[in-house]
Amino acid sequence: DADVTQTPRNRITKTGKRIMLECSQTKGHDRMYWYRQDPGLGLRLIYYSFDVKDINKGEISDGYSVSRQAQAKFSLSLESAIPNQTALYFCATSDVQGPGGKLFFGSGTQLSVL
Amino acid sequence: AQKVTQAQTEISVVEKEDVTLDCVYETRDTTYYLFWYKQPPSGELVFLIRRNSFDEQNEISGRYSWNFQKSTSSFNFTITASQVVDSAVYFCALSETRYSGNTGKLIFGQGTTLQVKP
Repeated sequence: DADVTQTPRNRITKTGKRIMLECSQTKGHDRMYWYRQDPGLGLRLIYYSFDVKDINKGEISDGYSVSRQAQAKFSLSLESAIPNQTALYFCATSDVQGPGGKLFFGSGTQLSVL
Repeated sequence: AQKVTQAQTEISVVEKEDVTLDCVYETRDTTYYLFWYKQPPSGELVFLIRRNSFDEQNEISGRYSWNFQKSTSSFNFTITASQVVDSAVYFCALSETRYSGNTGKLIFGQGTTLQVKP
């Protein structure tokens, strides 16, 4: 089984719908991250969490919210999806408590907003 | 401001050729970390290497090698005798210490798509 699991793998939704992308991990890491990947832009940080009570915005948090339900679970929500949120979304965990940690990524969720 | 630039958007080579992927970074930190990740067509992100700013030794792992030069703020990646299985998108990334606080976040370059033709 994968150490970082994202569901669903693919999702098509309509403009204005609320959707949730889920991430769970078995690595026992405290730090979790949500990134989105767009062609030509690389990966950009949406939100990150150091533990259940510590959630922080990344560079592109507008239009997104997150929930850290447990150490192992970190969900990303799009409150009202719009077409420019079409992207590949990755959840990741980090292997250290400080900077320089290696990120372990899930397989990604391809989201299409029509 | 922190930034990672991978100027090569796409590279196409023929199998067995050597290829170098360029990565240039900007940071005000004196302590930082650099990474390379591979994204094959299946889409997952595979860790290749992590290097801290105090270790400028070049590293070789099989057909892969990395050249870290602080003087030019570059961390280039060379694949020797490329193979079709090397076809992927490759990302260079930076993790700062002081100027990004304790976030541990990675700042990614735009990625370089490598196509290795048989």
